[in-house]
Amino acid sequence: EAGVTQSPTHLIKTRGQQATLRCSPISGHTSVYWYQQALGLGLQFLLWYDEGEERNRGNFPPRFSGRQFPNYSSELNVNALELEDSALYLCASSFYSRGELFFGEGSRLTVL
Amino acid sequence: EDKVVQSPLSLVVHEGDTVTLNCSYEVTNFRSLLWYKQEKKAPTFLFMLTSSGIEKKSGRLSSILDKKELFSILNITATQTGDSAVYLCAVGGTSYGKLTFGQGTILTVHP
Repeated sequence: EAGVTQSPTHLIKTRGQQATLRCSPISGHTSVYWYQQALGLGLQFLLWYDEGEERNRGNFPPRFSGRQFPNYSSELNVNALELEDSALYLCASSFYSRGELFFGEGSRLTVL
Repeated sequence: EDKVVQSPLSLVVHEGDTVTLNCSYEVTNFRSLLWYKQEKKAPTFLFMLTSSGIEKKSGRLSSILDKKELFSILNITATQTGDSAVYLCAVGGTSYGKLTFGQGTILTVHP
């Protein structure tokens, strides 16, 4: 069974640009979560999607947004990139909202 | 705001040693505590502990949850070099869908 897949693996952008990251959950999982892991910091909760709706978001500015598609895949958009947005962005999925999260390999975003 | 603190921040042992990793938490309306192993990128799920399951074991790894004292420990017996990784503790509380992670414990196992 395929795990959580994320693309791209690496992404390099410059300040002010926009970045789009994509995630496909494990088959049968309806909840998708996004986390940011910046260097020296722990995983920080960004967003939670379930059944196509944004259910919860962390303490991040509105330029971090996303959506979930009918097939439960998801994308994360980061607008007006800043240097401090450089981080590993991890996507996770779960079978139900209270179950354990299964993580993908992440997308490494570098902002120059 | 929910808070998770792990200790020690790093630990160096030799193969065959037993290690204990600690996780203390402050969370409103505790729902669950999870342990993950992160070797390169993707954190790998180890255990989930809830009010109905306060002790878990899988091979050389085991974990307990003390809801009264608000902490959990992860034990690894007979450590191997493959156990070298960052071990993450996370808790779920009132804010559904959100896990609050600790800063992790870096475990290094030397041959």
